[in-house]
Amino acid sequence: EPEVTQTPSHQVTQMGQEVILRCVPISNHLYFYWYRQILGQKVEFLVSFYNNEISEKSEIFDDQFSVERPDGSNFTLKIRSTKLEDSAMYFCASSDPGTGDEKLFFGSGTQLSVL
Amino acid sequence: DAKTTQPTSMDCAEGRAANLPCNHSTISGNEYVYWYRQIHSQGPQYIIHGLKNNETNEMASLIITEDRKSSTLILPHATLRDTAVYYCIVSDYKLSFGAGTTVTVRA
Repeated sequence: EPEVTQTPSHQVTQMGQEVILRCVPISNHLYFYWYRQILGQKVEFLVSFYNNEISEKSEIFDDQFSVERPDGSNFTLKIRSTKLEDSAMYFCASSDPGTGDEKLFFGSGTQLSVL
Repeated sequence: DAKTTQPTSMDCAEGRAANLPCNHSTISGNEYVYWYRQIHSQGPQYIIHGLKNNETNEMASLIITEDRKSSTLILPHATLRDTAVYYCIVSDYKLSFGAGTTVTVRA
């Protein structure tokens, strides 16, 4: 069964450093998403991406965040200058617009720890 | 602003059916009811969704009341591996996760 893959599974960084989280969505999917989950809290929407542009973003997704689809397979989330409060599990997801619904397939996540 | 209300937690016995309720009294006509689950700290997993009619797939059944103000997810034969947080979400274009129901399946 096709799946969304995320790398790395764990990322440790120093406060103020840039990090890039990588995702390979399911190959025929065209909508891509990033969510995050701070330990013990809800899964929060960050951004959705379609047709090479952001379709929606949350208040969390400020100027420190950016997304990119650098080639036909990868989808990345960049945090320019990490803060302690960015420590969380980050989930990538993708969906197939042809189904007309929000059936999202999630990756297993990247645990980001900012020290 | 929560669109759904779910019990905080529930237990069920292994091998028995688990019935998870969800209230969504403010659902609008074009919003679907989605169920996802999250096992430990893994990524959320899609279970099932529906608009008006009851739905069934290999994982579960979804029963939506005629007025669409509530629904029930049924896991027909719960196993220990079904222990997870179950999220009921109403949406027409974007998924917003609430706190969900923590379901513990006991042997």
